Amino acid sequence: GIQVEQSPPDLILQEGANSTLRCNFSDSVNNLQWFHQNPWGQLINLFYIPSGTKQNGRLSATTVATERYSLLYISSSQTTDSGVYFCAVGRGSNYKLTFGKGTLLTVNP
Amino acid sequence: NAGVMQNPRHLVRRRGQEARLRCSPMKGHSHVYWYRQLPEEGLKFMVYLQKENIIDESGMPKERFSAEFPKEGPSILRIQQVVRGDSAAYFCASSPDQVTDTQYFGPGTRLTVL
Repeated sequence: GIQVEQSPPDLILQEGANSTLRCNFSDSVNNLQWFHQNPWGQLINLFYIPSGTKQNGRLSATTVATERYSLLYISSSQTTDSGVYFCAVGRGSNYKLTFGKGTLLTVNP
Repeated sequence: NAGVMQNPRHLVRRRGQEARLRCSPMKGHSHVYWYRQLPEEGLKFMVYLQKENIIDESGMPKERFSAEFPKEGPSILRIQQVVRGDSAAYFCASSPDQVTDTQYFGPGTRLTVL
């Protein structure tokens, strides 16, 4: 099956700092989603981005499908950004997302 | 438009009991997916259902686990004779009828087996 690797596994920031999270995948995909799992365990959809670039407030994401990676940018981080960020990919039609192991982000005040 | 609803949010069962987890997809969504998050294994796909049909159950354990999505009512993930290793967070996701690929996740049910 497809392999998904996320880096770094852990990241500690001071409030206000910027960060880049990376997701590498081993095969072509037609579905790529970024999620934030908050400290209460809820999975929040951030982006659906199988290719191209999107921005939503302080967050943006870029996927270069031909090179099999995606990047999530967080600018001016806040303590509420803390949690685990997951990348998940899918092939074929619309099911069986394969998740990476996540990046644990801690933003200190 | 309400999001994906799951209940209960927390469920405690003793070994050997049955657990029933419910998922109501977003309005207009007829595709439902169940995922499990085990502490050391991350999030894994379990099963994909459409109304009254199981499309792909390749991620389901062969025994004790079953899923359904009836014509009326929520999708149900049923775990019979639970064991401690079933303790995990179970997430349901849904996607719309038309061909868009975003899966929207519910808040999850945290199952604890004593």
